[in-house]
Amino acid sequence: GAVVSQHPSWVICKSGTSVKIECRSLDFQATTMFWYRQFPKQSLMLMATSNEGSKATYEQGVEKDKFLINHASLTLSTLTVTSAHPEDSSFYICSAIPGLAGAEQYFGPGTRLTVT
Amino acid sequence: AQSVTQLGSHVSVSEGALVLLRCNYSSSVPPYLFWYVQYPNQGLQLLLKYTTGATLVKGINGFEAEFKKSETSFHLTKPSAHMSDAAEYFCAVSAASGTYKYIFGTGTRLKVLA
Repeated sequence: GAVVSQHPSWVICKSGTSVKIECRSLDFQATTMFWYRQFPKQSLMLMATSNEGSKATYEQGVEKDKFLINHASLTLSTLTVTSAHPEDSSFYICSAIPGLAGAEQYFGPGTRLTVT
Repeated sequence: AQSVTQLGSHVSVSEGALVLLRCNYSSSVPPYLFWYVQYPNQGLQLLLKYTTGATLVKGINGFEAEFKKSETSFHLTKPSAHMSDAAEYFCAVSAASGTYKYIFGTGTRLKVLA
């Protein structure tokens, strides 16, 4: 149980275009989802907290107009990287909390974004 | 405010030897503590967690960790390393209430030598 999927697993896009990454909780309803960014050989950096039906809460230094997050349902959150640039290339990982029991986050497999 | 320190960005052990990965935390509120493992180009898998109750927590794949409040530590151990344990390990802390956001440590890369 508690499986989180991400789509796509990898994507290459041209500079200036936008790309959308989906995060789905497959067998539970996620009250809260999180989006992280991970640079090579580094830890995860929290970008934003996403709650269903409300605006995402962004961490300090994360451009909300560049990284658009939509939590449209209790099983789906999307991250759209707008006007992507090479410096946005990274590994993006989402996680979800199935209610408040235990409060552990279940992580998706990640999406490798390369902007050329 | 919360923070996590993982001592040792790289740890090497021989196959069959004890694995000890260190994690110290700082938290002004009762913490929830977690250990995750990450294999290359994959997401994170929960190894074990401490929320309340017993301070010695057993997880998957033979790992365990002990919550020591007086030492603000949550070190991860495994009696006998296996080659498949080679991976990146992350310690994380969250508050026992509120947003449940994680603060991650910087990670420890475990190498297992044959």
